[in-house]
Amino acid sequence: DGGITQSPKYLFRKEGQNVTLSCEQNLNHDAMYWYRQDPGQGLRLIYYSQIVNDFQKGDIAEGYSVSREKKESFPLTVTSAQKNPTAFYLCASSINWGDSPLHFGNGTRLTVT
Amino acid sequence: AQRVTQPEKLLSVFKGAPVELKCNYSYSGSPELFWYVQYSRQRLQLLLRHISRESIKGFTADLNKGETSFHLKKPFAQEEDSAMYYCALSYGQNFVFGPGTRLSVLP
Repeated sequence: DGGITQSPKYLFRKEGQNVTLSCEQNLNHDAMYWYRQDPGQGLRLIYYSQIVNDFQKGDIAEGYSVSREKKESFPLTVTSAQKNPTAFYLCASSINWGDSPLHFGNGTRLTVT
Repeated sequence: AQRVTQPEKLLSVFKGAPVELKCNYSYSGSPELFWYVQYSRQRLQLLLRHISRESIKGFTADLNKGETSFHLKKPFAQEEDSAMYYCALSYGQNFVFGPGTRLSVLP
């Protein structure tokens, strides 16, 4: 069954700690994305990757980092530099960059205290 | 900058009533527009896109370039339509999402 898997579903961290969110897809999509979903603000793009070993900053990349060493995987690290990290994070993929539809994962809710 | 606005955060209608979720965009070129939907405890998924001109689950959306709008409509709302709806704009190689409208269909 093809799709995007995000783990864990819920994540709790202490302020000052880095945390990595997992995103894996078996759709053979080239492009992958990370969005942050906040109430009343829609989805905001954090980082995207058009192809393996390449990634670009989105609109709100500060305090985040990513890697794309494998086509299937696009992990997101929320660093201690991110000022407001508590949020719902969505990973998505598409066949090519700029193509749609976007296929989304179930999301990870990160709470930092 | 390209933007997508959805003026209603929450829209409540009764079952069987018509529903219209508003979406306006700002983009001077030829846009590609979409509606995504997120049902309770489900992942965000594509509902429809303007270039396909199809009706999905009874919903339709017409692109009005003059009014820069892409409103989502359904003549008779059902309780299972209750969800969060996002309008999205694709331009060039970028996507931008609106803030979303929560539709609540009351029995």
